[in-house]
Amino acid sequence: GQNIDQPTEMTATEGAIVQINCTYQTSGFNGLFWYQQHAGEAPTFLSYNVLDGLEEKGRFSSFLSRSKGYSYLLLKELQMKDSASYLCAGMDSNYQLIWGAGTKLIIKP
Amino acid sequence: IAGITQAPTSQILAAGRRMTLRCTQDMRHNAMYWYRQDLGLGLRLIHYSNTAGTTGKGEVPDGYSVSRANTDDFPLTLASAVPSQTSVYFCASSDSRVNEQFFGPGTRLTVL
Repeated sequence: GQNIDQPTEMTATEGAIVQINCTYQTSGFNGLFWYQQHAGEAPTFLSYNVLDGLEEKGRFSSFLSRSKGYSYLLLKELQMKDSASYLCAGMDSNYQLIWGAGTKLIIKP
Repeated sequence: IAGITQAPTSQILAAGRRMTLRCTQDMRHNAMYWYRQDLGLGLRLIHYSNTAGTTGKGEVPDGYSVSRANTDDFPLTLASAVPSQTSVYFCASSDSRVNEQFFGPGTRLTVL
């Protein structure tokens, strides 16, 4: 079966660094996506990895290991506005996204 | 219109009623999608369309139908609503199957 696992909730301090992990199992693989979703709003795209390694984009970085079926999203210099849910999604061989339930990130001052 | 819009924003519906959720995008994207999002679960794909004139079934298609008469519009119809269809529905689009998806603001549907 297809499955995406990520922690339900994480707490971090403003100004710190947090890493949100995701393990995936998909039928075929066409990349790994991360989205951000603020409460009551639509998901918005953060990153896409299809090759192994780290992709850096400002304060956010995403890492992929295809051999381990593993990805993480790294958020640096945390700000209060980063409080949101972070959704991990793997794209299968049919180009359909399989979504995790999301990790709710709580930022404390 | 800028991006992707959905209507209505929210709706309370009696069980057994027919309902169409509307979705329109102005980005000329080929692919469009309908998802439902329930607490504690990931987004689940209901139906999708890779290009105008074609549609396909996703993970949870039962009780829903779609049409794609043109590039811009992708309505989702519940033929006879049931309480288990209470959810937040998101429409999304992308310019190709492998690219990022852009989401509409969502429709919160309650079926009583």
